[in-house]
Amino acid sequence: DAKTTQPPSMDCAEGRAANLPCNHSTISGNEYVYWYRQIHSQGPQYIIHGLKNNETNEMASLIITEDRKSSTLILPHATLRDTAVYYCIVNAGNNRKLIWGLGTSLAVNP
Amino acid sequence: DTAVSQTPKYLVTQMGNDKSIKCEQNLGHDTMYWYKQDSKKFLKIMFSYNNKELIINETVPNRFSPKSPDKAHLNLHINSLELGDSAVYFCASRPVGRMNTEAFFGQGTRLTVV
Repeated sequence: DAKTTQPPSMDCAEGRAANLPCNHSTISGNEYVYWYRQIHSQGPQYIIHGLKNNETNEMASLIITEDRKSSTLILPHATLRDTAVYYCIVNAGNNRKLIWGLGTSLAVNP
Repeated sequence: DTAVSQTPKYLVTQMGNDKSIKCEQNLGHDTMYWYKQDSKKFLKIMFSYNNKELIINETVPNRFSPKSPDKAHLNLHINSLELGDSAVYFCASRPVGRMNTEAFFGQGTRLTVV
């Protein structure tokens, strides 16, 4: 599975969009980009995933570059409850293991 | 309803003891995992079971033994506990057979060995 690179920390003002970048330059053609978050040592929570196209759900949007070497998770209106560590993972699914980095610690400030 | 539940949530025990952590999922998933999150916050996979069969076994000491009585349960037994086993252990489950599936995690078991 490909490795990912994320900034260790970011800040965002409450109500503004939070844009979290992720580099995955060695991603393979069959690997999806997944985003999870972990709030204060709770269990990781799935956010969104995609293969090639941009994706949107009730939590966030995922923008994947055309060459698939990087992506951005967008929280459109960040709230204090979005303060968490956000993990970007690339994975081919099925029985493949998820390989976790240290993620980005996002602090949403009032 | 809790999708993936672990018990206990907290476990404090002495070195040398044997303990178990239980995990149950009510999602009908075929694949279950155990992860360890150490003090540096790395989440590292330990084991993966698919329909009661072991499919991933990382370089984990053989003091750790997973047991899956049925596909809804994956318990973790730890023998002769050591100080370095102190960590948060997460159970997770995931459907198999489709490429684009997400994993669901339990709330974790914080193990402290003293």
